[in-house]
Order: sequence, then C-alpha cells, then structure tokens
Amino acid sequence: EPEVTQTPSHQVTQMGQEVILRCVPISNHLYFYWYRQILGQKVEFLVSFYNNEISEKSEIFDDQFSVERPDGSNFTLKIRSTKLEDSAMYFCASNPTGIESLEGWKLFFGSGTQLSVL
Amino acid sequence: LAKTTQPISMDSYEGQEVNITCSHNNIATNDYITWYQQFPSQGPRFIIQGYKTKVTNEVASLFIPADRKSSTLSLPRVSLSDTAVYYCLVGMNYGGSQGNLIFGKGTKLSVKP
Repeated sequence: EPEVTQTPSHQVTQMGQEVILRCVPISNHLYFYWYRQILGQKVEFLVSFYNNEISEKSEIFDDQFSVERPDGSNFTLKIRSTKLEDSAMYFCASNPTGIESLEGWKLFFGSGTQLSVL
Repeated sequence: LAKTTQPISMDSYEGQEVNITCSHNNIATNDYITWYQQFPSQGPRFIIQGYKTKVTNEVASLFIPADRKSSTLSLPRVSLSDTAVYYCLVGMNYGGSQGNLIFGKGTKLSVKP
C-alpha cells in the first residue's frame, strides 16, 4: 500500500534555529496537510495545501511557519525561528480529493517527525 | 464540525469485544461519521466511515442508530495490538470551502493480556 513518508524521524535543534521537515505524499494525491501533536495532547491542524497554495491555516500557523512543494513530490514545513513550545510530533498527511468529498475524510498520515527544541 | 463526545479511556482484555460510543447530538443531515485510530508514536489512521445503520470492514464495525445522534465503534476480539487512541469525527462531507479534520481527545483503549 502506498504511504506518506516523512524525514527525518527525529530532529533536535537549538531554540532560534530554522528547521525544515520533509514529507513525500502519496504520488497521485493533490491535497496536503501538516498536523502536530504535543506529547500527551490532541492532534492539532496546522495547514492545508492545494494547487500550490495554502487553502486553510490554523492560529498556530503564524509567520514563523511556511510550507512549500518545491519539486512536485516533496512537501515541506519550515519553522523559521524555533521556540521551545514548537517541540512536538509533526505529521504530514495527504488525500486525493479534499474534504469536500467523502473520500476526503480518509487522510493518509505519515509516521511523523519528532521535533525537539532545546 | 459537529461536536463529539466520547469516553476518555477504556480498558479491555485480549479476546473481548470492545464498543466505543461517540455522542454527536448536533449532527447535520449531510454529515458522515468517521473513525480514526492512532497507535503510539504514529499518525492517525482511517479505519471506518458510515452514514446510517451498520458498516463493517476488516478492522471494525460501526453501528449508527436511526436518530444518528450517536455511533458505536465495535472492535471484535481485541488483541494487545489494538491498544491505541480512537477518534470519532463528524462533519459535512461535501459542499463548502476546503476544510480540515479536527481531532478531539479521542478514547484511549488499553488492551491487557
């Protein structure tokens, strides 16, 4: 079964540094998402992306965050200047159709990148 | 998305059937009910979706009464590997602008030997 792959699986960085989290969505999918989960808390929506632009973003996704699909296969999340509270598991997800259709509720999630900001 | 309420946690033993009920009193006519499963240190995984009555697949069954104000996820003969958090999501499946899935706290199922 095709899957969403994320790299690295673990990332340790110093506060104030920039990090880029990478994701390769399933090849025929058109809608892409980033979620995060702080240890012991809920899975939180960050951003959705379609047709090379952001479709929707949450309050968490402030100016320090950006997303990009640089080459038609990768989907990246950049945090410009990391803060301690950015420490979390970051999940990438993709879907072929978007939430407007029933199939759009079947998001395919990657295994995540555990980001630790020291 | 319609607000959902489900138990915070449940315990079970291997081989038992587990039923997790989700309340969604303000479900809209067009809303489907979707369940996800999340194993520790992994992303959520879609397991089942339904609109009314009963849906069954290789993982679980979903029972939805006629008033659709609740739904029950049924896991037959659980094993230790079914230990996970289970999320119930309810919302419009079509129309409107591009949206996103909002996960609640889910139900943490612990299966013991």
